[in-house]
Amino acid sequence: DSGVTQTPKHLITATGQRVTLRCSPRSGDLSVYWYQQSLDQGLQFLIQYYNGEERAKGNILERFSAQQFPDLHSELNLSSLELGDSALYFCASSPVGPADTQYFGPGTRLTVL
Amino acid sequence: AQSVAQPEDQVNVAEGNPLTVKCTYSVSGNPYLFWYVQYPNRGLQFLLKYITGDNLVKGSYGFEAEFNKSQTSFHLKKPSALVSDSALYFCAVRDKSSASKIIFGSGTRLSIRP
Repeated sequence: DSGVTQTPKHLITATGQRVTLRCSPRSGDLSVYWYQQSLDQGLQFLIQYYNGEERAKGNILERFSAQQFPDLHSELNLSSLELGDSALYFCASSPVGPADTQYFGPGTRLTVL
Repeated sequence: AQSVAQPEDQVNVAEGNPLTVKCTYSVSGNPYLFWYVQYPNRGLQFLLKYITGDNLVKGSYGFEAEFNKSQTSFHLKKPSALVSDSALYFCAVRDKSSASKIIFGSGTRLSIRP
């Protein structure tokens, strides 16, 4: 158990809908990262937050957004969902610096029908 | 721009034999290098990392990796493979000189046959 929690574990929804994925980092970790893992594209970095502020952006679509709240939990919002958004979405957390290990949550499996 | 390559999609090894999972990287400065393992329907688990110092890094479950600056490689190794080592392995790199994002390789599926 990494100490990172993600809810829900599974999510099934229809095209055009909007969903919110939630992540609680390890106690004391200030950074939260979001990743998308699909069969054909491997693990793609989406976005990083550090202590409530956006720190780095990866291949995140405009339909997707995230935020980190004062209690350091984070939410990833996915809107206007398409079939191709079906994937595993992972959250990871780390303490502070770039050398710090990222600890991954168990993931949310999103299925768009 | 930083990048990481795992040239083998799959590695097959007999139980008890040594295993190597290859990783090469490209960064503009000095790298931080990581290995993670993913078991089916699970999140990624940290195995080991190289920050500085000794080029041979020892990690969890008997794995080790050797940082080779001249070859820009960070291959994962284990002297004697176990069937339970069968999983998906990811190499990742981050450039020390900036707060740049971490880049993951495409993953290598390791299959250990009894």
